[in-house]
Amino acid sequence: EAQVTQNPRYLITVTGKKLTVTCSQNMNHEYMSWYRQDPGLGLRQIYYSMNVEVTDKGDVPEGYKVSRKEKRNFPLILESPSPNQTSLYFCASSSPTRDSVYEQYFGPGTRLTVT
Amino acid sequence: AQSVTQLDSHVSVSEGTPVLLRCNYSSSYSPSLFWYVQHPNKGLQLLLKYTSAATLVKGINGFEAEFKKSETSFHLTKPSAHMSDAAEYFCVVRGFGGYNKLIFGAGTRLAVHP
Repeated sequence: EAQVTQNPRYLITVTGKKLTVTCSQNMNHEYMSWYRQDPGLGLRQIYYSMNVEVTDKGDVPEGYKVSRKEKRNFPLILESPSPNQTSLYFCASSSPTRDSVYEQYFGPGTRLTVT
Repeated sequence: AQSVTQLDSHVSVSEGTPVLLRCNYSSSYSPSLFWYVQHPNKGLQLLLKYTSAATLVKGINGFEAEFKKSETSFHLTKPSAHMSDAAEYFCVVRGFGGYNKLIFGAGTRLAVHP
């Protein structure tokens, strides 16, 4: 089954304790992104990657890092989490469709709480 | 810059009645527009997309949307609501400067009453 998986699905942590949220896709997609979802704000892009070793900042990259060492994986790293990073996080992947529009496939989400 | 505005944060309808979720967009060039749905505790699922072909776009589960350039709108409709349609709906425009970038509206929560 074609899918994007994220782990963990739920995480409660404390300020300053480094954490990693993993994301993996089995569709051989070139493009992957991380978004955060906050009430009333929709989803905002944190980082994206166009291929292995190619990453760039989205709209809200502060406090986050990413890496893309393999095509299928795109982990999100919070080096020193803070309470304002409490949010619902989504990973997404995409590849060109026949009409050249990049339809994105989303993972199930990771709910992070930083106390 | 591209942006989308969802005109209603909450919409409530009775089962069997029509659904209208409103979206206006802003784009300096011909946009690609999407509607995504998010059911409680689930990820996002693509409902439909507009890519400069037909202005009336049909999606899954009986939803459709009409692209109106003169009104800069992309409203989502369904003739008859079902209880399973209760979810949050996002209007999305593809951003400029990164083909992987999506710009989301704030969302409309649809409630369906028996």
